[in-house]
Amino acid sequence: SAVISQKPSRDICQRGTSLTIQCQVDSQVTMMFWYRQQPGQSLTLIATANQGSEATYESGFVIDKFPISRPNLTFSTLTVSNMSPEDSSIYLCSAIRWAEQYFGPGTRLTVT
Amino acid sequence: AQSVTQPDIHITVSEGASLELRCNYSYGATPYLFWYVQSPGQGLQLLLKYFSGDTLVQGIKGFEAEFKRSQSSFNLRKPSVHWSDAAEYFCAVSRDRDDKIIFGKGTRLHILP
Repeated sequence: SAVISQKPSRDICQRGTSLTIQCQVDSQVTMMFWYRQQPGQSLTLIATANQGSEATYESGFVIDKFPISRPNLTFSTLTVSNMSPEDSSIYLCSAIRWAEQYFGPGTRLTVT
Repeated sequence: AQSVTQPDIHITVSEGASLELRCNYSYGATPYLFWYVQSPGQGLQLLLKYFSGDTLVQGIKGFEAEFKRSQSSFNLRKPSVHWSDAAEYFCAVSRDRDDKIIFGKGTRLHILP
């Protein structure tokens, strides 16, 4: 199995600011992803975090708003830039190893 | 692109009754299918998955799901629900074992005592 940790677990931020969320996996994984879960909604895939190259974004998500880094096989960051109240969500990191997908506990973000 | 439809936003059943949650997928080839559960304030938990082989898949907590290619469906069933089964259930699809997972909008299950 893989254990995924995220930092911070929650935060309250002011609009217009940015927050960087860290995702750490306890062992090397092949794929890493970032999801958003807005209040009362399902999980929406933001992007695939590619190791050593630019992330692959899903429709409706752009790099300027959600820059992502993945410097190695166990770590990734997601930045939520120029935040607005609509960005209030849970942001989840996930990773695949040996055809098993694992999810982090999520980062609960509230934008005021 | 693959997609998932869960036609029921809310389902209410009585404790002890049987349950079936519907899921339809859209994908040209054989999909990889999943059911996840999320209890209030909790993280995601994988109930079961289908990759290949037997189309009736057994999962945890007494759940099972059946893959029906002709109907593009992967419905989740449980013969007798417990109050602790009240949660949000997500069906999900992937193109491959190592590919991104796309989630349906979810079905919220309510249990009557």
